[in-house]
Amino acid sequence: DAKTTQPNSMESNEEEPVHLPCNHSTISGTDYIHWYRQLPSQGPEYVIHGLTSNVNNRMASLAIAEDRKSSTLILHRATLRDAAVYYCIRGDMRFGAGTRLTVKP
Amino acid sequence: DAGVIQSPRHEVTEMGQEVTLRCKPISGHNSLFWYRQTMMRGLELLIYFNNNVPIDDSGMPEDRFSAKMPNASFSTLKIQPSEPRDSAVYFCASSPSGFSYNSPLHFGNGTRLTVT
Repeated sequence: DAKTTQPNSMESNEEEPVHLPCNHSTISGTDYIHWYRQLPSQGPEYVIHGLTSNVNNRMASLAIAEDRKSSTLILHRATLRDAAVYYCIRGDMRFGAGTRLTVKP
Repeated sequence: DAGVIQSPRHEVTEMGQEVTLRCKPISGHNSLFWYRQTMMRGLELLIYFNNNVPIDDSGMPEDRFSAKMPNASFSTLKIQPSEPRDSAVYFCASSPSGFSYNSPLHFGNGTRLTVT
């Protein structure tokens, strides 16, 4: 029971921003929100994580709702190499089904 | 930084045989996680260790599975006897921190196990 909910799939056009949503309504006050992605035939790769404030790094941005019951991973300009399954997980490190992102040229 | 190292990359064995998967975490990391990934069940957390001590093994499927971490630089996941339904990709991951879960997981490249 991963306790996070994500859409099964999303599509984006190359060079456009992508907003990947995640619901984690039962998150506790001390649970961090982590995002990982998994490219074909590879292990999951860390993308970003945060607790309350929005976070930015070289890969993406993470927007966390004020009530912390949801978050959004933002890829500012999608590339073909961003096509992957994106996982949002809470601090218990249990993965759900994730969102399969397709990027169209 | 060599990353998390798993061996072997591929393992093919016959039903009933013992299988041992190995993992070397990143040096200095205190937590180690074993996951299993299948098409049907996705990525499942099997067990995690903190400072070499098993903390939560509730994800271990049954008694045929066992995991050990004899020291900070080595862990094994053993299946005895193996069954075809154990066929999956097994990932090991390590993390710098223990219970806080504030630190990201670093995954190895996985071991693809096929049991015939």
